[in-house]
Amino acid sequence: EIVLTQSPGTLSLSPGERATLSCWASQSVSSNYLAWYQQKPGQAPRLLIYDASTRATDIPDRFSGSGSGTDFTLTISRLEPEDFAVYYCQVYGSSPRSTFGGGTKVEIK
Amino acid sequence: QMQLVESGGGVVQPGRSLRLSCAASGFSFSSYGMHWVRQAPGKGLEWVAVISYDGSDKYFVDSVKGRFTISRDNSKHMMYLQMNSLRVEDTAVYYCVRPLIAVFGYDVFDIWGQGTMVTVSS
Repeated sequence: EIVLTQSPGTLSLSPGERATLSCWASQSVSSNYLAWYQQKPGQAPRLLIYDASTRATDIPDRFSGSGSGTDFTLTISRLEPEDFAVYYCQVYGSSPRSTFGGGTKVEIK
Repeated sequence: QMQLVESGGGVVQPGRSLRLSCAASGFSFSSYGMHWVRQAPGKGLEWVAVISYDGSDKYFVDSVKGRFTISRDNSKHMMYLQMNSLRVEDTAVYYCVRPLIAVFGYDVFDIWGQGTMVTVSS
């Protein structure tokens, strides 16, 4: 089973700044089957990125995903007020079971 | 529009049982494998279980194996999670989730329900 480690645990930034979130896998992720989700308080998660770099429907282009193998990154180019939330990475495809990372909270500085 | 609505959550004592339901609408339910994902209060996401489109394949996270069962009724567009021998550590919001595409194992979670809270407490 692949273990995902997200870093940092909390990221304190101001609106307009660039956010860089990392997700490390304990072993190579097959076919770069890695997704990113955003979750705001009291809401269900929302899919942002899948296959490491493909934006989901209606996701603004300030969100981008990159990486391969064991190292993946979610970048938010310029933080909008609505982007302050918790972000999770997820690996899929290697078995019917999925694994999530522990999450990164992006908070207002 | 595509929608998932969970129900059946509540407060239950340790060792007791609870059945969650998920009502699907707005898409071809019988084409998709379906999942349950949970989130303990203040914690991260944990995948719990999956059932294939026709109910023939089922998988569970190790911590619930032997205690939880998953089922579906395609004629009613419903999925269920039967939770037996509940433990305090099962306390969480339980989400019903549909993948982006109808390929078993390609588990990009596109459609989420609003969640139903399960509290296991004496």
